[in-house]
Amino acid sequence: TQLLEQSPQFLSIQEGENLTVYCNSSSVFSSLQWYRQEPGEGPVLLVTVVTGGEVKKLKRLTFQFGDARKDSSLHITAAQPGDTGLYLCAGARGSNSGYALNFGKGTSLLVTP
Amino acid sequence: DAGVIQSPRHEVTEMGQEVTLRCKPISGHNSLFWYRQTMMRGLELLIYFNNNVPIDDSGMPEDRFSAKMPNASFSTLKIQPSEPRDSAVYFCASSFPGLAAYEQYFGPGTRLTVT
Repeated sequence: TQLLEQSPQFLSIQEGENLTVYCNSSSVFSSLQWYRQEPGEGPVLLVTVVTGGEVKKLKRLTFQFGDARKDSSLHITAAQPGDTGLYLCAGARGSNSGYALNFGKGTSLLVTP
Repeated sequence: DAGVIQSPRHEVTEMGQEVTLRCKPISGHNSLFWYRQTMMRGLELLIYFNNNVPIDDSGMPEDRFSAKMPNASFSTLKIQPSEPRDSAVYFCASSFPGLAAYEQYFGPGTRLTVT
C-alpha cells in the first residue's frame, strides 16, 4: 500500500502551459518534501513544507501544504522543457532516532517545445 | 563540496553472483538511507542508519540482502545470491538532523542488472 498517492502519474504538455500535480495521503506528516529527478540521476530536493496551509514559491513553481498536513500540490506556471522530469513527494514520519521518508511513486512530466 | 558518492554506477551480473554496492555519505551527515527504485514500485526505502546503527530494516526484501555501516563515511549494500528480480536502480542518501525537516541528499545511484 502506497502511503502517498501522486496524480497524475504521467503528464505531457507544451511549453508555456500551466499544470498542477497532487500528492495525497490519509496520514498526517510532520513535513512534506518535493524532489525532482532527471533521467540517470538521483532525486534533488526542491522544497520542504512544514506548516499546514503553507505556500512556498520557487520561481515558477508554487508548493502548497494542506491545512491538515495530509496533502500537497505543486503548480508550475508557464512550463519549460527544462521542467521535464519525475516529481516526487515525500512525507517525514519522524522518530527519536531519525526521520525516514515515505515517497510517492511520482508524476512524470514531459514538456515539449 | 562532494555530494553523496556511490559506486559502481552500473553493475551487470549473472544470477547467483554476489553484488556489493558502496556509498560514501556527505561528510558530517549522520543518517544514511538505502533505496531501491523500479518502475513498478517506485522508490522504496530498504534500510536506514543513524550514527552508524541500523534503525529500520523492515524494507529489506529478504535475507539475501544485507547492509553495513562500519564507520560514518562508508556503507555497503550486499545481495547474495542475486536474482533477476533484484534488477533496479539503488540509491543511497544522507541527512543530518541540523537540516530543516531532515532533508535528504541523494547519490547518483547504481543501476543493477541481474541476468
